[in-house]
Amino acid sequence: GAVVSQHPSRVICKSGTSVKIECRSLDFQATTMFWYRQFPKQSLMLMATSNEGSKATYEQGVEKDKFLINHASLTLSTLTVTSAHPEDSSFYICSARDGGQPTDTQYFGPGTRLTVL
Amino acid sequence: QKEVEQDPGPLSVPEGAIVSLNCTYSNSAFQYFMWYRQYSRKGPELLMYTYSSGNKEDGRFTAQVDKSSKYISLFIRDSQPSDSATYLCAMSAIGGNKLVFGAGTILRVKS
Repeated sequence: GAVVSQHPSRVICKSGTSVKIECRSLDFQATTMFWYRQFPKQSLMLMATSNEGSKATYEQGVEKDKFLINHASLTLSTLTVTSAHPEDSSFYICSARDGGQPTDTQYFGPGTRLTVL
Repeated sequence: QKEVEQDPGPLSVPEGAIVSLNCTYSNSAFQYFMWYRQYSRKGPELLMYTYSSGNKEDGRFTAQVDKSSKYISLFIRDSQPSDSATYLCAMSAIGGNKLVFGAGTILRVKS
């Protein structure tokens, strides 16, 4: 099956610093990638939809200036958490869709655990 | 009311048991239904994918969709300790670009 990787798998940073998380589709091209956030024992909450070569679409309540998304190529999307604070600590998961239709399968990365001290 | 409701469990069963996992939803526009399995500290893995109503079987797994009741199920036969994970239902509407997830049910299969 299709493989999606994320880097780093976990990161600890100080409050006020910025953290960049990479999401790569390893064996397929993904015109659309998604970024989710998951709190302990809770479901995945979609943060934004990222389309290659265009601006990301953010869900209601997600600050686009705080969570910067760049989808520069068909295999790479990045999420930068700017000026991170302890409340940003969470599990961030990306997914990549293997086709252009909304119903095409989303393949998920292994997630990045962010801890902000 | 959440769009998708799922009992978080945990559900604990003995090895070999038949497991039934369920979700209900409120949005009648949902047409595509998926079940994902998520091991601890890992990303979700797609298990089953069904369109509209009906059943779909894949090995020990069977997915059922009852659109009239807005109710979907995942059955696991001959459950194994390796099936212990969190199971997430997800759904989307025709033309919709995003998946809506349930909270996930923690399953524990005891040997």
